This record gives sequence, structure tokens and C-alpha cells, in this order.
Amino acid sequence: GENVEQHPSTLSVQEGDSAVIKCTYSDSASNYFPWYKQELGKRPQLIIDIRSNVGEKKDQRIAVTLNKTAKHFSLHITETQPEDSAVYFCAASKGGNTGFQKLVFGTGTRLLVSP
Amino acid sequence: GAVVSQHPSWVICKSGTSVKIECRSLDFQATTMFWYRQFPKQSLMLMATSNEGSKATYEQGVEKDKFLINHASLTLSTLTVTSAHPEDSSFYICSAREPVYNEQFFGPGTRLTVL
Repeated sequence: GENVEQHPSTLSVQEGDSAVIKCTYSDSASNYFPWYKQELGKRPQLIIDIRSNVGEKKDQRIAVTLNKTAKHFSLHITETQPEDSAVYFCAASKGGNTGFQKLVFGTGTRLLVSP
Repeated sequence: GAVVSQHPSWVICKSGTSVKIECRSLDFQATTMFWYRQFPKQSLMLMATSNEGSKATYEQGVEKDKFLINHASLTLSTLTVTSAHPEDSSFYICSAREPVYNEQFFGPGTRLTVL
């Protein structure tokens, strides 16, 4: 089955710096890659996603890149702010006619943005 | 956006008792819902996929007789932890797949503590 690895496990940056989180996946059939932000004790919130037919997607300060050949994808946060501090999870899934199937999550990255 | 609710938000029970957790999609119909378990400082681990009108599909290592799942309608799935033990204490999160945009939306989670 699918296996998703995520690095680093913790990341500390100064406010205004950029943060990059990387994930690799094992199943070449996976074609949907969402990123979630989870604050302590709360539900994961989708912040950006990418499908395998594109290589990059951007939404304001957040961007995701996908390299299908190497089977890895990355989250880029620019101009970080203290409120970006949270745990970030990548995930991978396979799609089909009935929709995307189960998500396999990475191990998470705890991002701390210091003022 | 689509809303998924969970009830209760937290529960404390004695060892050996059963606990039922409800997951509802409030503004869309979900033929598929997912149940996850998250231990402190760990990732979300998929327990089972709940399909409306049919039996749930359990992940390897998850006891189907201990974690009973019922998806009786297009807006409700329930997870019953039977004969709960302290090691079942965890954060249980459901998600529902919104059919139009094919995104998974997560419930707020249920924190189960078994004494």
C-alpha cells in the first residue's frame, strides 16, 4: 500500500522567513496530494492541494510543488507569521470514477514561527 | 464550505463500557466517510472507510468487532468503541467526502478517555 514520508518533523523559523516541508510517496498511482494544517486539539484544515496533472499551485503565501517522476511534493510558506505555527500534514490519495479514495497521511511537521 | 460535525466532543468512560461517536455531514450528502484515530503528537491513522448502505472496510490491524461502524444514512456514520480499555484513549476524527469538489472535510474530533 501507499507510504508517505514527511520531513522535517519540526521546523523553527523567524517571522518573515520561508518554510519548506517535503513529502515523498511510494505509490505511483496516487494522484491527489492535499496539505492540512492542524492546531492543537482541533480538526485538520485543508490549506492547499494539488492533483497530478499540474506541477505547481499557489495560493497567496502558500504554494505546493509536485514532482511525479521523483514521487515527492513540497509545501512552501513565504513571509511566515506567528499564526502559521501549527502541525502540518501532507497526504496522498488515488482517484477514480467514484472520487478520491482514502488518504494516507505523512507523519507531520511541527512548525514554530517566532516573532 | 462543507461542514462536518461530531458528537460528543469529549467523553470519559469506565473500562469495559461502550462508547458511540456520531459523525454528520450537515450540508451535503456523503456516501463515504472515514474514521481516523490520532494519538498525542502523532499523525492521523485511518481506521476504516464507511460506505452508506454497506459494510465498512477496515484497515489492517483494526478489529472490526471492537470498532463497530454503521453508516445508515447519507449524512450519518457512527463509530462504537466496544468494551473500551485505557489503550483506546485517543482523539477520534471522522471525515466525509464532499461529492462535488471531491474534498474530504473533517469533523472536530472526539477525545475519548477510558479510565
